[in-house]
Amino acid sequence: GAVVSQHPSWVICKSGTSVKIECRSLDFQATTMFWYRQFPKQSLMLMATSNEGSKATYEQGVEKDKFLINHASLTLSTLTVTSAHPEDSSFYICSARPGTALSRGGKLFFGSGTQLSVL
Amino acid sequence: AQKVTQAQTEISVVEKEDVTLDCVYETRDTTYYLFWYKQPPSGELVFLIRRNSFDEQNEISGRYSWNFQKSTSSFNFTITASQVVDSAVYFCALSENSGYSTLTFGKGTMLLVSP
Repeated sequence: GAVVSQHPSWVICKSGTSVKIECRSLDFQATTMFWYRQFPKQSLMLMATSNEGSKATYEQGVEKDKFLINHASLTLSTLTVTSAHPEDSSFYICSARPGTALSRGGKLFFGSGTQLSVL
Repeated sequence: AQKVTQAQTEISVVEKEDVTLDCVYETRDTTYYLFWYKQPPSGELVFLIRRNSFDEQNEISGRYSWNFQKSTSSFNFTITASQVVDSAVYFCALSENSGYSTLTFGKGTMLLVSP
């Protein structure tokens, strides 16, 4: 089946540093990828929609300058948390959609998530 | 605006019991898609089912079954003869139109199956 690889699985960093999370579609091309954030015992909140070759679309309340998204190729999107602070600690998950909505049953494929802890 | 409500925050059952997870949705679209995802403790999301708004047939896949009731805007998920490995958080989600748009997730229901 389709696989979305997300790295790293977990990261601990000091406050003020930047952290990059990668999301790769391994066996399909993804023109669109999504980034979500999940607080403990809460639902997934969409942060932004990443489109290959164009600027990401951010949801209301998400700081564009703090959460930099780059979708440079059809198989890779990156989320960079800049100048991370403890309140950015969370579980981040990406998802990718194959080029055709009806392909593969119209599924969205999710990465395994990244647990970010900012000290 | 779309909304998905999973009223059950946590459910605890004993192995072999049947359990139903409720999902109620709101949308103004006539064409939409409903999903269920499983999130085990490891964190990844596992796709379980996708159903479009024009297909109200109930579906069964092994121990899993889904009851789509458009009249009550519900898309409930039942696990028959639950097992410990079913312990996870289950998310119901809604997507409008052809599925190109993003998913609106419910808050999730944590299912704990004890031996």
